Amino acid sequence: EPEVTQTPSHQVTQMGQEVILRCVPISNHLYFYWYRQILGQKVEFLVSFYNNEISEKSEIFDDQFSVERPDGSNFTLKIRSTKLEDSAMYFCASRTYWTPNEQFFGPGTRLTVL
Amino acid sequence: AQTVTQSQPEMSVQEAETVTLSCTYDTSESNYYLFWYKQPPSRQMILVIRQEAYKQQNATENRFSVNFQKAAKSFSLKISDSQLGDTAMYFCAFMKESGGGADGLTFGKGTHLIIQP
Repeated sequence: EPEVTQTPSHQVTQMGQEVILRCVPISNHLYFYWYRQILGQKVEFLVSFYNNEISEKSEIFDDQFSVERPDGSNFTLKIRSTKLEDSAMYFCASRTYWTPNEQFFGPGTRLTVL
Repeated sequence: AQTVTQSQPEMSVQEAETVTLSCTYDTSESNYYLFWYKQPPSRQMILVIRQEAYKQQNATENRFSVNFQKAAKSFSLKISDSQLGDTAMYFCAFMKESGGGADGLTFGKGTHLIIQP
């Protein structure tokens, strides 16, 4: 069964460094999402992406964040200058055009900012 | 903006019992979807069950069923014959129907369900 994959599973970085989190959505999916979950808290929507552009973004998704689909298979989330409060689990999700009510989640990347 | 409220931070039941997790939401939208996601210790997000707001019939998936009360904006999850593997965080989530748009999910804070042997 096809699945969303994410790399790395765990990333440790120093405050102020740039990080890129990578996701490979399911191959025929057209909508892509990033969510984050700070430890012990709820999952929060960051951004959605469709047709090579951002479709929706939350107030969390400020100028330090960016997303890209560089090569038709990967979907990346870049954090330009990480802060301690960026430490969280980051989930990628994707869905087809025809099933708006079914987002498939990846296993997540745990980001630790020291 | 939508809000999702889960008022039970933690619940514990014996194996084989039935348990109901509560969820209420607030929205001005008339077309939307509701979901229950399970998050085991691995932290993977697993879709348990979903409900379209326009459907009056409550969704069921094997041992999992929902009680959807649209007027009351309530969406509870019932787990029958609970199993040890049901131990996890359960998140209620809302998504508005946007006609081809890419809206994200709005999640509640979660209920930690513990199934005791």
